[in-house]
Amino acid sequence: GAGVSQTPSNKVTEKGKYVELRCDPISGHTALYWYRQSLGQGPEFLIYFQGTGAADDSGLPNDRFFAVRPEGSVSTLKIQRTERGDSAVYLCASSPGQGAGGYTFGSGTRLTVV
Amino acid sequence: AQKVTQAQTEISVVEKEDVTLDCVYETRDTTYYLFWYKQPPSGELVFLIRRNSFDEQNEISGRYSWNFQKSTSSFNFTITASQVVDSAVYFCALSVYNNNDMRFGAGTRLTVKP
Repeated sequence: GAGVSQTPSNKVTEKGKYVELRCDPISGHTALYWYRQSLGQGPEFLIYFQGTGAADDSGLPNDRFFAVRPEGSVSTLKIQRTERGDSAVYLCASSPGQGAGGYTFGSGTRLTVV
Repeated sequence: AQKVTQAQTEISVVEKEDVTLDCVYETRDTTYYLFWYKQPPSGELVFLIRRNSFDEQNEISGRYSWNFQKSTSSFNFTITASQVVDSAVYFCALSVYNNNDMRFGAGTRLTVKP
């Protein structure tokens, strides 16, 4: 597509529930990144995919967070047993390759855990 | 460790004023990239510039200019003749070569009043 698309744009869920956030990167971009942005802060790195594999998942806060990119295009960020502290905007970005910089970001998914 | 500091939390100016957003970074690596992103109220992060650590030449793009000084570890951003549409949160970011963890500062909220 023309840009990075993230769905849903907003998600409200109850504490303890499971959620999935979707990212559709720019066509042909091999690198895909997930970031989390809390209110009043800059984005924080979560995970990086090169192709289908998670090349760097060092930013995932704990084992409740998991992400996949099975066909090297669309990615899904999965959060189990959500907690109120997970509330944030989850941003996805893509780029033509690792280290290229100048990532193109999506508009994000605002997750609210109540 | 990498760190980006944007000491100015909020700045308010009147249209047509010049404004400079400060960015100070820390890294022990000799090869790195510095970025500026704009985040308007819509939430999407818009890429503005990337500068690598070997290129200290200042850059001008229209009303935007960037001053990179390795001696003071700073990468400041100036908007000349500001406009209301410049109102947004601006983030400075640092990425070390071959590292996927792009570190963002906390951001500076710029408000340009008519």
